Amino acid sequence: GAVVSQHPSWVICKSGTSVKIECRSLDFQATTMFWYRQFPKQSLMLMATSNEGSKATYEQGVEKDKFLINHASLTLSTLTVTSAHPEDSSFYICSARSGALDEQYFGPGTRLTVT
Amino acid sequence: QQQVKQSPQSLIVQKGGISIINCAYENTAFDYFPWYQQFPGKGPALLIAIRPDVSEKKEGRFTISFNKSAKQFSLHIMDSQPGDSATYFCAASRGGGNKLTFGTGTQLKVEL
Repeated sequence: GAVVSQHPSWVICKSGTSVKIECRSLDFQATTMFWYRQFPKQSLMLMATSNEGSKATYEQGVEKDKFLINHASLTLSTLTVTSAHPEDSSFYICSARSGALDEQYFGPGTRLTVT
Repeated sequence: QQQVKQSPQSLIVQKGGISIINCAYENTAFDYFPWYQQFPGKGPALLIAIRPDVSEKKEGRFTISFNKSAKQFSLHIMDSQPGDSATYFCAASRGGGNKLTFGTGTQLKVEL
């Protein structure tokens, strides 16, 4: 149980375009989802926290107009990278928790490459 | 963001040996300390977690030792196997499901 999926697993886009990444909790209702970014050989850095039906809370230094997060249902959150640039190339990972679970469960990640 | 310091950055252990990774935290409000294992190109997977009301927790070959007064916790992997070769992250949060502060990671290699 407690499976989180992400789609796509890998995406390449051109500079200036937008790309959407989906995060789904497959067997539980996720009241809270988190989005992380991880650069090669580095740790995970929290970008934002989203609660179902409300606006996301962004960490300091994360541009909310560039990284749009929507958590419209209890099983789906999306991260849209708008006007992507090569420096946005990274590994994006989501996690999810339900009110009944103590832990966060992580998705498999999405590799974004901006050319 | 409150820091969680992790060491060593990399570790090589012989098959069957004990792997030890250490973490130290600053924020005394943290009350949930998980360890994650991450393979290349994959998301992190929860290995084991501890709360500060106990000093040690063991699950199979994995043990967390927790020292509240020193604000330190460590992961011990007994009988290390080549399949354990991965990057390990400690983390801390206020409450189990709340936002996590991650350590910098330890790249473990278990050699035959």
